[in-house]
Amino acid sequence: NAGVTQTPKFQVLKTGQSMTLQCAQDMNHNSMYWYRQDPGMGLRLIYYSASEGTTDKGEVPNGYNVSRLNKREFSLRLESAAPSQTSVYFCASSAIREREENEQFFGPGTRLTVL
Amino acid sequence: ILNVEQSPQSLHVQEGDSTNFTCSFPSSNFYALHWYRWETAKSPEALFVMTLNGDEKKKGRISATLNTKEGYSYLYIKGSQPEDSATYLCAPIGYGQNFVFGPGTRLSVLP
Repeated sequence: NAGVTQTPKFQVLKTGQSMTLQCAQDMNHNSMYWYRQDPGMGLRLIYYSASEGTTDKGEVPNGYNVSRLNKREFSLRLESAAPSQTSVYFCASSAIREREENEQFFGPGTRLTVL
Repeated sequence: ILNVEQSPQSLHVQEGDSTNFTCSFPSSNFYALHWYRWETAKSPEALFVMTLNGDEKKKGRISATLNTKEGYSYLYIKGSQPEDSATYLCAPIGYGQNFVFGPGTRLSVLP
């Protein structure tokens, strides 16, 4: 099993450009998440999908959209990139969102720079 | 939004030293907590899943305790080794809420 995979690993964008970060998991998990990681701020939740067909905002959703394409895939889109979105983005999945014993499994991350 | 704090922010210890860190969070509405270990250039990985007040977990030289009534969890490392160098994140879990990760404690173990 590959676990959680993310593409691309690195990306440089100019201000105003758009792009989609892809995430897929092969663990048959119901819940998927997108986080951003900035120095000194830990992981902040952007959006999550508790189950296929549902998505909800997290702590920092502004400037992003998501799509839960199917049970395996959860994409994050930046419609008009801004320098403040320079960050490392992590996708994660867990079996069920509201079960405390279900740990999250993380992808390798995407390092995004917006010039 | 939960206010999750971790202390210290970073620390350097010598190989063989024992150390501990703290995760603190508002005690109301929290009933479980996860600890994650995050090595440089890798992804966070779950270290402990603690689901009850009073839970104690141990994995080799690393152990953790959870007190949800007073809003804290301790992580202990006995006899630190260079391979323990990582950032340790806690994530308390509240009813109907998502994971909220603390800012982490960065540990460096010097050989």
